[in-house]
Amino acid sequence: GAVVSQHPSWVICKSGTSVKIECRSLDFQATTMFWYRQFPKQSLMLMATSNEGSKATYEQGVEKDKFLINHASLTLSTLTVTSAHPEDSSFYICSARSPGEFYSPLHFGNGTRLTVT
Amino acid sequence: QKEVEQNSGPLSVPEGAIASLNCTYSDRGSQSFFWYRQYSGKSPELIMFIYSNGDKEDGRFTAQLNKASQYVSLLIRDSQPSDSATYLCAVINGGSQGNLIFGKGTKLSVKP
Repeated sequence: GAVVSQHPSWVICKSGTSVKIECRSLDFQATTMFWYRQFPKQSLMLMATSNEGSKATYEQGVEKDKFLINHASLTLSTLTVTSAHPEDSSFYICSARSPGEFYSPLHFGNGTRLTVT
Repeated sequence: QKEVEQNSGPLSVPEGAIASLNCTYSDRGSQSFFWYRQYSGKSPELIMFIYSNGDKEDGRFTAQLNKASQYVSLLIRDSQPSDSATYLCAVINGGSQGNLIFGKGTKLSVKP
């Protein structure tokens, strides 16, 4: 159980364009999903917390107007990187846990490798 | 600033040996501790979690927790080349909606 699916696995886009990444909880409802970013040889850093039906909470230093998060249903959260630039190239990973299990592990999607040329 | 500290390694052990990975955390109120394994270019996968002081064993893996010392470790017995990966220690960010704070990871290399 607790499977998180992420799409696409990788994407290459040109500078200035936008890219949408989807994160789905397949066998459970996720009122909260977490979006992480990982640069090469670094650890996972939380970008934002996505809440179903309300605004996302962004970590300090993450531009909310650049990284648009929409959590329109209990099984889908999307991250849109707007006006992407080469410095946005990174590994983006979403995660969630089964509802009512605050202290349980997070389950991660397979990640999206974004390359901006 | 809540922190999770790990030695970055690389830690190199011969096949069949015991690999010992260590982690310390700054938030004394932390209650849940996790070890994830991450292969290069892949997403993290859960290896073990531990909530109580002491040892927890699962197959070749043993997690050890000492809350007084704010220390958690992972032992891998009979290490295999397939265990070569980066091991991430993580704790739940107390007071948040439950996100994990990760250490920088320890790169383990198991030599045949």
